[in-house]
Amino acid sequence: AQSVTQLDSQVPVFEEAPVELRCNYSSSVSVYLFWYVQYPNQGLQLLLKYLSGSTLVKGINGFEAEFNKSQTSFHLRKPSVHISDTAEYFCAVIRGNQFYFGTGTSLTVIP
Amino acid sequence: EAQVTQNPRYLITVTGKKLTVTCSQNMNHEYMSWYRQDPGLGLRQIYYSMNVEVTDKGDVPEGYKVSRKEKRNFPLILESPSPNQTSLYFCASSLTRTDTQYFGPGTRLTVL
Repeated sequence: AQSVTQLDSQVPVFEEAPVELRCNYSSSVSVYLFWYVQYPNQGLQLLLKYLSGSTLVKGINGFEAEFNKSQTSFHLRKPSVHISDTAEYFCAVIRGNQFYFGTGTSLTVIP
Repeated sequence: EAQVTQNPRYLITVTGKKLTVTCSQNMNHEYMSWYRQDPGLGLRQIYYSMNVEVTDKGDVPEGYKVSRKEKRNFPLILESPSPNQTSLYFCASSLTRTDTQYFGPGTRLTVL
């Protein structure tokens, strides 16, 4: 069964507009959740993670995500995007010692 | 500089010719992983290692082998590559499984 579902494969958004990238996880997995970003022709880097504690998690580059246990979601948000945010974004969970990544959301910021 | 290195970065080979992709980290990390990235499928974990001499299968281990004889190195071995193993491969390491994973630059493999 799919552990992580990213509902949008592509999200175009105008510069300085807000954006939300959606991620839902299987309720059977432990709630260790991550968002990674992949810039063109590069490896992945961590944006933020939720392990426990406050459900609102702040990450790098102005991104934040909210862990919602009742909706099994971990959506990523940014209030105002920049051209440099154009990248592929991956949601991930850990089940046991194994990582499961979503299929990714390609964010394109339009000038 | 803290980093994960992979070699080679690009490789074109033929079906059945054994190959090894090396991965090395200089951060004394315990957890290391190999992933493959395919369009529309995201990243899928091939193998992971919790520490030296401790390795386990990920989601797509068929056709791959790994070893972890030293903490810093985690090579990926394809004993008999096939065209369906054409992909972009990433090695990653982290202090523990819940810590930040640091990814290598990737190895683009083509099997003809």
